[in-house]
Amino acid sequence: ETGVTQTPRHLVMGMTNKKSLKCEQHLGHNAMYWYKQSAKKPLELMFVYNFKEQTENNSVPSRFSPECPNSSHLFLHLHTLQPEDSALYLCASSQVGTGAQVAFFGQGTRLTVV
Amino acid sequence: DAKTTQPPSMDCAEGRAANLPCNHSTISGNEYVYWYRQIHSQGPQYIIHGLKNNETNEMASLIITEDRKSSTLILPHATLRDTAVYYCIVRVASRGATNKLIFGTGTLLAVQP
Repeated sequence: ETGVTQTPRHLVMGMTNKKSLKCEQHLGHNAMYWYKQSAKKPLELMFVYNFKEQTENNSVPSRFSPECPNSSHLFLHLHTLQPEDSALYLCASSQVGTGAQVAFFGQGTRLTVV
Repeated sequence: DAKTTQPPSMDCAEGRAANLPCNHSTISGNEYVYWYRQIHSQGPQYIIHGLKNNETNEMASLIITEDRKSSTLILPHATLRDTAVYYCIVRVASRGATNKLIFGTGTLLAVQP
């Protein structure tokens, strides 16, 4: 248990569906991140939020829409995805401040687009 | 952020120490070294981090060379459950900045019975 919880753990969706991934952290952190990990590839950073404000979008297609209503919750809204978007989606959080600011990850959502 | 180089794979016998190397020859003075591991299809698990001094916690030890250009993660008594991909990441932890981590391909450690 890392203090970062992602739901659902597994999701199968059609290309015309709309779904959302949820991440909640119980660590009192104020920065949150979405990563994508495709099969046999390194983790790719998608979005960064600092105190609820999006500070980074790494050229992610608009069919992925993040939302950070507060420092504890992060969502990734999905619509009209493609089969190549099938991947493990990971959420992480860290404390912005001084020192090492260690980031902790959730267990991920395994997404399959059919 | 400094680039890191790790061997793609290593084997270790169960019960023996696993020593995972990482080169970060372009590291700067204010960059931390972080180690994470990822067991198949799970989220990365934080192991340990260090700046200049060697560090030890309940999971592992981190040895950083005096010039800080390389480091070694040591799992003192490897078990089968330690089979995972281990990532060495170097990152500046700036005051007021987020700690986005850039992952490479890591080292696949296979612990053999």
